[in-house]
Amino acid sequence: DGGITQSPKYLFRKEGQNVTLSCEQNLNHDAMYWYRQDPGQGLRLIYYSQIVNDFQKGDIAEGYSVSREKKESFPLTVTSAQKNPTAFYLCASIDRPLSNTEAFFGQGTRLTVV
Amino acid sequence: LAKTTQPVSMDSYEGQEVNITCSHNNIATNDYITWYQQFPSQGPRFIIQGYKTKVTNEVASLFIPADRKSSTLSLPRVSLSDTAVYYCLVNNAGNMLTFGGGTRLMVKP
Repeated sequence: DGGITQSPKYLFRKEGQNVTLSCEQNLNHDAMYWYRQDPGQGLRLIYYSQIVNDFQKGDIAEGYSVSREKKESFPLTVTSAQKNPTAFYLCASIDRPLSNTEAFFGQGTRLTVV
Repeated sequence: LAKTTQPVSMDSYEGQEVNITCSHNNIATNDYITWYQQFPSQGPRFIIQGYKTKVTNEVASLFIPADRKSSTLSLPRVSLSDTAVYYCLVNNAGNMLTFGGGTRLMVKP
């Protein structure tokens, strides 16, 4: 089955620790995205990548880092510099960075920092 | 980037038709309009996409006027399971895929 997989579904970390969220897709999509969603809010873009070894900051990149060493993988690291990391994180991919294609989303990772 | 504006919330009853309008005043010539549906604790999923006039699929219709400055998602005969958040996006070639706050649709029995 083709799709986009995020792991783990739930993640607990102590304050001050870095944590890496996994996102893998086997759709052969060029572009990948990371979003953060807080309760009752919309999706806010953290980082996106349109091609391997290249990525751009979104609206709320501070305290986060990413890498895109392989086309199918786009891990997100939540660093200790992120002041309020508890949130629902969503990864998405799209076939090509043009206008008439749809994005596919993973099922999300709920991160709780205690 | 074309910014979108949609109502924060809407209520409806089972069996009614629901129309959610999105405004995108500075949409560019090559931009498409895409709607997504999101249930709690899940990723959004694609509903429908269009460029102009009317598009219909098995779950919804999308109406886009000639000036393309707005679009209306139409859900026929909604059921309780259509309770969700609906997002309108304008896809551009730079493809930042920026989501707004969405419209929370509550379907009541």
